[in-house]
Amino acid sequence: DTAVSQTPKYLVTQMGNDKSIKCEQNLGHDTMYWYKQDSKKFLKIMFSYNNKELIINETVPNRFSPKSPDKAHLNLHINSLELGDSAVYFCASSQASGLAGVYKNIQYFGAGTRLSVL
Amino acid sequence: QKEVEQDPGPLSVPEGAIVSLNCTYSNSAFQYFMWYRQYSRKGPELLMYTYSSGNKEDGRFTAQVDKSSKYISLFIRDSQPSDSATYLCAMTEYSSASKIIFGSGTRLSIRP
Repeated sequence: DTAVSQTPKYLVTQMGNDKSIKCEQNLGHDTMYWYKQDSKKFLKIMFSYNNKELIINETVPNRFSPKSPDKAHLNLHINSLELGDSAVYFCASSQASGLAGVYKNIQYFGAGTRLSVL
Repeated sequence: QKEVEQDPGPLSVPEGAIVSLNCTYSNSAFQYFMWYRQYSRKGPELLMYTYSSGNKEDGRFTAQVDKSSKYISLFIRDSQPSDSATYLCAMTEYSSASKIIFGSGTRLSIRP
């Protein structure tokens, strides 16, 4: 069973289109994340949701809108796609709350969605 | 200046060699330090997780943190071709849900 799964794996689309990427985790975690990895492998956080509440919102164009229908899902919708949006988008999850002394914020990543905007 | 600096490589070593991967950082508030391994066309997977300064060993892997120098290292002993991947250092201030800052990754290739 895949712990963090993203769909689709590959997305090729034209500039100006609107697209969505879905993410689901079956680890029972309470926090989910979206990262963007550029061609130089630089991994940068975009958003984070804890129990369906937005807790991290980096400087990302408002064409990107995350939506968390429940703790196990975090989707990313992108409007008016631009060439510079081409990248690999990773979803991740972690368990943020728990017993003291237990390492938290260990993030588990999905396999990524390769977005190519033409 | 980036918060976390990591030499992108590529680094190529013969099988069996000891590999040393390093990162420097500027934010003295970082307390939790991680190393992730990323195979081609896959997501990063956690390799090592350490808190504050010191060493941590797990099999062939040793993570070292020197907070006074703001320098972290990952050593791989008896390197294998299956260790060929990109290694990303990462760090954060808090153990709870918070922003993790990643290095840009070092691409490692182990020659048989």
